[in-house]
Amino acid sequence: QVQLVESGGGLVKPGGSLRLSCAASGFTFSDYYMSWIRQAPGKGLEWVSYISTSGSTMSYADSVKGRFTIFRDNAKNSLYLQMNSLRAEDTAVYYCARHPTYCSSTSCHRVDAFDIWGQGTMVTVSS
Amino acid sequence: EIVMTQSPATLSVSPGERATLSCRASQSVSSNLAWYQQKPGQAPRLLIYGASTRATGIPARFSGSGSGTEFTLTISSLQSEDFAVYYCQQYNNWPPELTFGGGTKVEIK
Repeated sequence: QVQLVESGGGLVKPGGSLRLSCAASGFTFSDYYMSWIRQAPGKGLEWVSYISTSGSTMSYADSVKGRFTIFRDNAKNSLYLQMNSLRAEDTAVYYCARHPTYCSSTSCHRVDAFDIWGQGTMVTVSS
Repeated sequence: EIVMTQSPATLSVSPGERATLSCRASQSVSSNLAWYQQKPGQAPRLLIYGASTRATGIPARFSGSGSGTEFTLTISSLQSEDFAVYYCQQYNNWPPELTFGGGTKVEIK
């Protein structure tokens, strides 16, 4: 079945680094844009970063720009988030999610919502 | 950045009743709006995209409407499994950023 599974979360000190991974299965990973979205404890959802199908185009939320890097390995059906210079406010559950593509009889188009989500991985930044 | 504001923060509804949730954008997002449902300890689930199109497998009791800056999610007859937090998300002003509303918690009255 279509599935995303995150890993790599944990406890890290302020200023430290962590790399999150997201393993995709059940669909052609290379056909889809992907994003990371986070949710601080008891709070709402915050989009973090997206990457295009080829990995050539990325975008970041202002809150993580210059500190986080998104990348993908289509041969391994995997998405990654390299997080550097971590801060307490980065503490959250991190989800990877797929941008869906919907097709009519004549064409397909990407929708920049999120139709498949992983179960999330918890990142705690604390001394 | 487009700010998404959801109201009310909490909605108390009895099973079988209708629930109406609102989402307002700080500037027009056309019909580029999605709704999600999130239950405790679970990832969000896509309900609606394009402001009014139900995602695959979503029951017909969920409907979305609106365009521009004002949007509504209606649950026609609340079932026990519908008590959850609901988020709206715009994808019009993109790139650079996608933004979510703060959420509406639908609780049992």
